[in-house]
Amino acid sequence: DQQVKQNSPSLSVQEGRISILNCDYTNSMFDYFLWYKKYPAEGPTFLISISSIKDKNEDGRFTVFLNKSAKHLSLHIVPSQPGDSAVYFCAASAAGGTSYGKLTFGQGTILTVHP
Amino acid sequence: NAGVTQTPKFQVLKTGQSMTLQCAQDMNHEYMSWYRQDPGMGLRLIHYSVGAGITDQGEVPNGYNVSRSTTEDFPLRLLSAAPSQTSVYFCASSYRLRSANEKLFFGSGTQLSVL
Repeated sequence: DQQVKQNSPSLSVQEGRISILNCDYTNSMFDYFLWYKKYPAEGPTFLISISSIKDKNEDGRFTVFLNKSAKHLSLHIVPSQPGDSAVYFCAASAAGGTSYGKLTFGQGTILTVHP
Repeated sequence: NAGVTQTPKFQVLKTGQSMTLQCAQDMNHEYMSWYRQDPGMGLRLIHYSVGAGITDQGEVPNGYNVSRSTTEDFPLRLLSAAPSQTSVYFCASSYRLRSANEKLFFGSGTQLSVL
């Protein structure tokens, strides 16, 4: 039972254009969402997060949008740079229930930004 | 700052052998966890701990044991290695999972092969 899904295994974008990475979730108890970025041979690093009380959070070139009714979030990178090429994981957590204390990750999307 | 330190970086085991993956953090984080990363599966939670002396199971706990005798250390023990445990293992920590500092800090990973 995959509670957090990233249905696009890979995304290829030209430098300077927008990258949009998508994530869907099924657990209505999730109330906090995060994006992590992972380079080869390194651990994931935190990128940006959003609480369910918001529908948008921005940090420089990175913006996360949350649509609670659709149980969908997306990460926008504008403009995309070759250094953004990495695997992006979305993750979710809940305040209570069986998800307490656990961060649930999606499968990841490989982003490639071409010069 | 060392952050989250995992050892070893690489390990090859034979089926049936046991071993311990080490994880230490120097950030005085309450929360520590172990994930495994497999192709197409993303990061899956094995075990986690919300403080010294407290551990709980994640999504895929079978075949693994953990203990948390100190705040700093959270070793992961493989009791009898199986080929299905071939994976990349990540240790992660956070000040408190349910707080404004929600983000996890990850180690650089241990690549384990079981033959």
